[in-house]
Amino acid sequence: EPEVTQTPSHQVTQMGQEVILRCVPISNHLYFYWYRQILGQKVEFLVSFYNNEISEKSEIFDDQFSVERPDGSNFTLKIRSTKLEDSAMYFCAGGDRTGDEQYFGPGTRLTVT
Amino acid sequence: GENVEQHPSTLSVQEGDSAVIKCTYSDSASNYFPWYKQELGKGPQLIIDIRSNVGEKKDQRIAVTLNKTAKHFSLHITETQPEDSAVYFCAASKWQGGKLIFGQGTELSVKP
Repeated sequence: EPEVTQTPSHQVTQMGQEVILRCVPISNHLYFYWYRQILGQKVEFLVSFYNNEISEKSEIFDDQFSVERPDGSNFTLKIRSTKLEDSAMYFCAGGDRTGDEQYFGPGTRLTVT
Repeated sequence: GENVEQHPSTLSVQEGDSAVIKCTYSDSASNYFPWYKQELGKGPQLIIDIRSNVGEKKDQRIAVTLNKTAKHFSLHITETQPEDSAVYFCAASKWQGGKLIFGQGTELSVKP
């Protein structure tokens, strides 16, 4: 059964550095999402992406964040200048043409020191 | 604003007992309600979902009920097993491809 994959599984970075989190969605998925989960808290929506453009974004997704689907398979989340409060688990998710069911990857744990 | 409240935050049951987790949502335009199971160190796994035109859905030991008037939905797990132990999240969304708004999660512990 196909799965969403994410790399790296754990990323440690210093405050102010740029990070790129990578996701490979399931091949027939058309909708793509990034969510984050701060330790012990609920999963929070960051951004959704459909038809090669952002369809919705949350207040968290400010101009320090960007998303890209550079080659039709990978889906990336970039944080330009990381802050301590960006430390969290970041999940990529994808949905097929029905658009309802979202399938999550295993996550990337981002630690900003 | 959009919000999903989930209770209880922790739930401990004996193996074989039933477990019920409840969620309420604020936005009456919500029409899709999935439930996710998250095991330690893994991403949320979709286990069951329900759409607003249905009142109940069952899949083996798992069932979900929806009361649109009261804006609440529940997850029922019967004959619980130790491998059901995990954190369960409810969520809601408003439109096809729309964002999921998650509840706070329920840590379910099934004691053998």
